[in-house]
Amino acid sequence: GEDVEQSLFLSVREGDSSVINCTYTDSSSTYLYWYKQEPGAGLQLLTYIFSNMDMKQDQRLTVLLNKKDKHLSLRIADTQTGDSAIYFCAERDSGGYQKVTFGTGTKLQVIP
Amino acid sequence: EAQVTQNPRYLITVTGKKLTVTCSQNMNHEYMSWYRQDPGLGLRQIYYSMNVEVTDKGDVPEGYKVSRKEKRNFPLILESPSPNQTSLYFCASSLSMRPGAHEQFFGPGTRLTVL
Repeated sequence: GEDVEQSLFLSVREGDSSVINCTYTDSSSTYLYWYKQEPGAGLQLLTYIFSNMDMKQDQRLTVLLNKKDKHLSLRIADTQTGDSAIYFCAERDSGGYQKVTFGTGTKLQVIP
Repeated sequence: EAQVTQNPRYLITVTGKKLTVTCSQNMNHEYMSWYRQDPGLGLRQIYYSMNVEVTDKGDVPEGYKVSRKEKRNFPLILESPSPNQTSLYFCASSLSMRPGAHEQFFGPGTRLTVL
């Protein structure tokens, strides 16, 4: 089945850039997502990228997709303490059901 | 306010005592899903429903049941809970799973402990 992997933990200083990485195995992925989970809350969609795109920018967020290597990254510029959360990568396949598979999540700690 | 609600938010129970976690959405969404979140394993899908009376197994359905009698509700039933079902559970919904309507909205989570 599909597999989505992320490193479990990332620590950055406030004001620096954060880069959260994700690798996936399903070559037929159509959409790739980044969700944010704040403490004690459910997941919220941050951004997504269609599989025929290489990059998408949305304010402080930049998503890069390397389809050949099946690698997705999320860059957060000027990281703030409010960005401390768990970030989940997810991919959606192109099958009839178009199942979404989530990664393990990366806990981002922002040090003031 | 558009939202997905789950009840209860916290539950401690004992092995074998049947329980139901309710999920309701007020956005007229077709698609609903249950996930469990465990440390180091991320979110794993338990069951999903494409529409009323249409449900199917996700990746980890063993020990769980669901029903979808109405569009807005998608309860998760544990007939005989066991300690390995101790987890954080999320319900999610989306308008559909068609392109362009794929964002999933998540409930606040239910933390279940089975002793």
